[in-house]
Amino acid sequence: NAGVMQNPRHLVRRRGQEARLRCSPMKGHSHVYWYRQLPEEGLKFMVYLQKENIIDESGMPKERFSAEFPKEGPSILRIQQVVRGDSAAYFCASSLGQPRSGANVLTFGAGSRLTVL
Amino acid sequence: QKEVEQNSGPLSVPEGAIASLNCTYSDRVSQSFFWYRQYSGKSPELIMSIYSNGDKEDGRFTAQLNKASQYVSLLIRDSQPSDSATYLCAVNGPGHTGTASKLTFGTGTRLQVTL
Repeated sequence: NAGVMQNPRHLVRRRGQEARLRCSPMKGHSHVYWYRQLPEEGLKFMVYLQKENIIDESGMPKERFSAEFPKEGPSILRIQQVVRGDSAAYFCASSLGQPRSGANVLTFGAGSRLTVL
Repeated sequence: QKEVEQNSGPLSVPEGAIASLNCTYSDRVSQSFFWYRQYSGKSPELIMSIYSNGDKEDGRFTAQLNKASQYVSLLIRDSQPSDSATYLCAVNGPGHTGTASKLTFGTGTRLQVTL
């Protein structure tokens, strides 16, 4: 009964390269969320997806960042032309549905730690 | 004003004492409140959720919510060294405003339980 699976756990990229982070939600969960955590800061919401749909991307930077959750396969967070400021821990979470009052809490994966040299 | 505010700490308490962690939030329509524990270098782990005014107890943990004061707290009784971690307060809005899709986190309070 695997939890939320993220890979890679650690990723090193040079400035200008692309970073792809993958997330497989818990079995039975159809909602995926991406959060970013900068050193010594809290978790910041980036994007909320369901299969083949972006529901809320209000936390995504306008450029270089994109996310998808295809019909088959994991959710992907893609960062193009990375810069040093992108260095952070990227956490994926999943839930059964939209986390309304009284139901459906988020379960987090172990995170992917991106280092940009 | 930050949406969710926590004292960053560190909060230091002796083993066996009660640790009290506090959180205030700015959005009056918030409906769901969560406490997550995060060990250094690890992922957040849900400790407690609370949705109604009052207290909710689960083992050594008690969450307290006061919506009128926009305040939520977490009490840890009989604190253990293994409780040493950062505690994140998170708030979620009601569905009809479109904010139920995301949690807004505080920056966390670092708790140190000393021997």
